[in-house]
Amino acid sequence: DIQMTQSPSSLSAAVGDRVTITCRASQNIGKYLNWYQQKAGKAPNLLIYAASTLQSGVPSRFSGSGSGTDFTLTITGLQPEDFAAYYCQQSYSTPRTFGQGTKVEVK
Amino acid sequence: QVQLVQSGAEVKKPGASVKVSCEASGYTFTNYDINWVRQATGRGLEWVGWMNPNTGNTGYAQKVQGRVTITRNTSIRTAYMELSSLTSEDTAVYYCARGWASSSFYYAMDVWGQGTAVIVSS
Repeated sequence: DIQMTQSPSSLSAAVGDRVTITCRASQNIGKYLNWYQQKAGKAPNLLIYAASTLQSGVPSRFSGSGSGTDFTLTITGLQPEDFAAYYCQQSYSTPRTFGQGTKVEVK
Repeated sequence: QVQLVQSGAEVKKPGASVKVSCEASGYTFTNYDINWVRQATGRGLEWVGWMNPNTGNTGYAQKVQGRVTITRNTSIRTAYMELSSLTSEDTAVYYCARGWASSSFYYAMDVWGQGTAVIVSS
């Protein structure tokens, strides 16, 4: 199985900040990497697929980069509605494993 | 609109089985995979398995292999996940999610059900 490791597990930020979350795969997964946002008590929501392609309707302050084993999710200009948990997931092979998540909290 | 609607919360005793349903609407059911993902309280997301509703092909996570079965009824656009021999470690919210592939074959889960709480308690 491919292991996905996110860092940090949590971070504190203020509205307007630039936030960066990293995700590392245990083997080369090309660009088969997705990012999801999950708000408390809600289902996850797809933000980015293929490492850097923004899902329709997702604000442009979200961006993704990387390929191979190292990936990054960046939020440029954090908004109040962005305080949530974020998960990476590899879609290179089954089982389609998730990272352990990063919780973005209010500073 | 495109949506997945899941069945209601379940409370089961250890050793019992549970069957959760996921009804699709707003798209052609057989054109997209259905995945199942679970989340224990305060924990991360764990992929459970998937099914191709057109062929019936399935795949499961090793952790639940042998205890989980994903099926479908295409006439009512509904997928099911059945988990047997329940233990307290199966207590979680279970989500169904549509599996979608881009034109370049990148795969993601783009539509999610609202979640079904399964509580295993004696």
